[in-house]
Amino acid sequence: NAGVTQTPKFQVLKTGQSMTLQCAQDMNHEYMSWYRQDPGMGLRLIHYSVGAGITDQGEVPNGYNVSRSTTEDFPLRLLSAAPSQTSVYFCASSYRGQWHGYTFGSGTRLTVV
Amino acid sequence: ELKVEQNPLFLSMQEGKNYTIYCNYSTTSDRLYWYRQDPGKSLESLFVLLSNGAVKQEGRLMASLDTKARLSTLHITAAVHDLSATYFCAVEETSGSRLTFGEGTQLTVNP
Repeated sequence: NAGVTQTPKFQVLKTGQSMTLQCAQDMNHEYMSWYRQDPGMGLRLIHYSVGAGITDQGEVPNGYNVSRSTTEDFPLRLLSAAPSQTSVYFCASSYRGQWHGYTFGSGTRLTVV
Repeated sequence: ELKVEQNPLFLSMQEGKNYTIYCNYSTTSDRLYWYRQDPGKSLESLFVLLSNGAVKQEGRLMASLDTKARLSTLHITAAVHDLSATYFCAVEETSGSRLTFGEGTQLTVNP
């Protein structure tokens, strides 16, 4: 099992460019979520999904879009990158069971110049 | 809106000493997680606390949960340098599927 795979690991964008951060999981988890991590602020929820075709906003959704066409994939799209979106992005997957747990990807370090 | 507060945010300890990190949260929840993060790395799961009074221990770390007080603690016993890292608590809302994180506690253990 690969767990949660995020690509790319590093990315530099110019202001105004768009891009998609990929997230894939092979554990058949129902739930997937995106977080961003900024210094001194912990991780903040961007968007999440409770199943294919269902997404919802988290704490900091502005400037990001998501879709969930399959159980395995949950891409995060930056529509028009801004320097304020410079951050480390983590994708997580989870399931609702007795031993409910979250698996995090290795992260994508994004710099917007 | 669920809020999670950790303290202290920075902790410098000597090897061999004991200390406790506190995690307070603002609304009802019965699932709390502790994670460790090393610089430039992802989050490593330490403990999942699923009910009031839950206590879990792994090596020099022990975590507990008091859902009535909305408080979790991470106790460090006889700290060693290898424990230096940032520790996060995260609370899952009753509806599930997502986490709200504390700001993190940056722990440095000095020889």
